[in-house]
Amino acid sequence: DSGVTQTPKHLITATGQRVTLRCSPRSGDLSVYWYQQSLDQGLQFLIQYYNGEERAKGNILERFSAQQFPDLHSELNLSSLELGDSALYFCASSVDSGGGGQPQHFGDGTRLSIL
Amino acid sequence: AQSVTQLGSHVSVSEGALVLLRCNYSSSVPPYLFWYVQYPNQGLQLLLKYTSAATLVKGINGFEAEFKKSETSFHLTKPSAHMSDAAEYFCAVSLQGAQKLVFGQGTRLTINP
Repeated sequence: DSGVTQTPKHLITATGQRVTLRCSPRSGDLSVYWYQQSLDQGLQFLIQYYNGEERAKGNILERFSAQQFPDLHSELNLSSLELGDSALYFCASSVDSGGGGQPQHFGDGTRLSIL
Repeated sequence: AQSVTQLGSHVSVSEGALVLLRCNYSSSVPPYLFWYVQYPNQGLQLLLKYTSAATLVKGINGFEAEFKKSETSFHLTKPSAHMSDAAEYFCAVSLQGAQKLVFGQGTRLTINP
């Protein structure tokens, strides 16, 4: 058990819809990272928050947004969903902002299926 | 830009045989390097990490990896494979001061009885 909790485990929805994925980091971790895992793109970094502030951005679409709340949990919002958004979305957390080589600890992911 | 290449998307070994999973990185400065394992329907679990303290890094479940700067490699090995090692393995890199992990495409390890 990594200590990172992601809900829901599975989401099935239709094109054009909007969903919210939730992540609770390990106790004491200030950084939250979101990754997308798909068959064609592999594991891709989306975005990072550190103590409530956006710290780094990766290959995140404009239709996607995220935030980290004062209690340090994070949400990833995906809107105007397309078939290609079907993927496994991982949340990870680490103690610091990542500059010190601290490992990231991953949740079990949310599997998003767009019909 | 940093990148990671894992040679071989599938590796198959016999139980008890040596496991060797290859990872090469491209970076202009020494990076931090990680190996993660993903079992079916689970998240990624950290196996080991290299952060410049020692070139030979020992991880969990009997795995180890050696950082070779001259070869820009960080290959993962285990002397004797066990059936429970069957999983997908990812090599990842991050730069000092950078936050994101850049992952290789993964290597699926199959263990034959």
